[in-house]
Amino acid sequence: EAQVTQNPRYLITVTGKKLTVTCSQNMNHEYMSWYRQDPGLGLRQIYYSMNVEVTDKGDVPEGYKVSRKEKRNFPLILESPSPNQTSLYFCASSSQGAWETQYFGPGTRLLVL
Amino acid sequence: AQSVAQPEDQVNVAEGNPLTVKCTYSVSGNPYLFWYVQYPNRGLQFLLKYITGDNLVKGSYGFEAEFNKSQTSFHLKKPSALVSDSALYFCAVRPDIGTGGFKTIFGAGTRLFVKA
Repeated sequence: EAQVTQNPRYLITVTGKKLTVTCSQNMNHEYMSWYRQDPGLGLRQIYYSMNVEVTDKGDVPEGYKVSRKEKRNFPLILESPSPNQTSLYFCASSSQGAWETQYFGPGTRLLVL
Repeated sequence: AQSVAQPEDQVNVAEGNPLTVKCTYSVSGNPYLFWYVQYPNRGLQFLLKYITGDNLVKGSYGFEAEFNKSQTSFHLKKPSALVSDSALYFCAVRPDIGTGGFKTIFGAGTRLFVKA
């Protein structure tokens, strides 16, 4: 089954404790992206990657890091989480081409205390 | 700055009535336009998109959207609403490569409530 998976689905952590949210897709997609969803703000793009070793900032990259060492994986790293990073996070992937449909993972709900 | 506006936080319609969820955008060039739907505790699912050609685009579950270049709008419509259409709807825009690379800009979302 074609899918985007994220782990963990739920995470409670404390300020300053490094964490990684994994994202994996099995569709051989070149493009992958991370978004955060906050009430009243919709989805905002954090980082995206157009292929292995190619990443770029979205609209809200501060406090986040990403890497793309393999085509299927695109982890999101919070090196020193803060309460304002409490949010619902989505990973998405698509084929190359700005017109391509993005496929979304189920989401990771993060609470930073 | 590039932006997408969904002017209504919530739209309420009765089952069987037509529905419209509005979206306008401010993006340079010729962007690609998308509608996604989010059901409770789920990720986003693709509904439809406009790339080029016919201004009326048909998508999943009986939804359609009308692209209006002069008004920079891409409103989502359905002739007859179902209770099961109740969900959160997002309009999204991707600028063409020359003006925005592969960034995606989402609207804030519109919650559709269909009453039986």
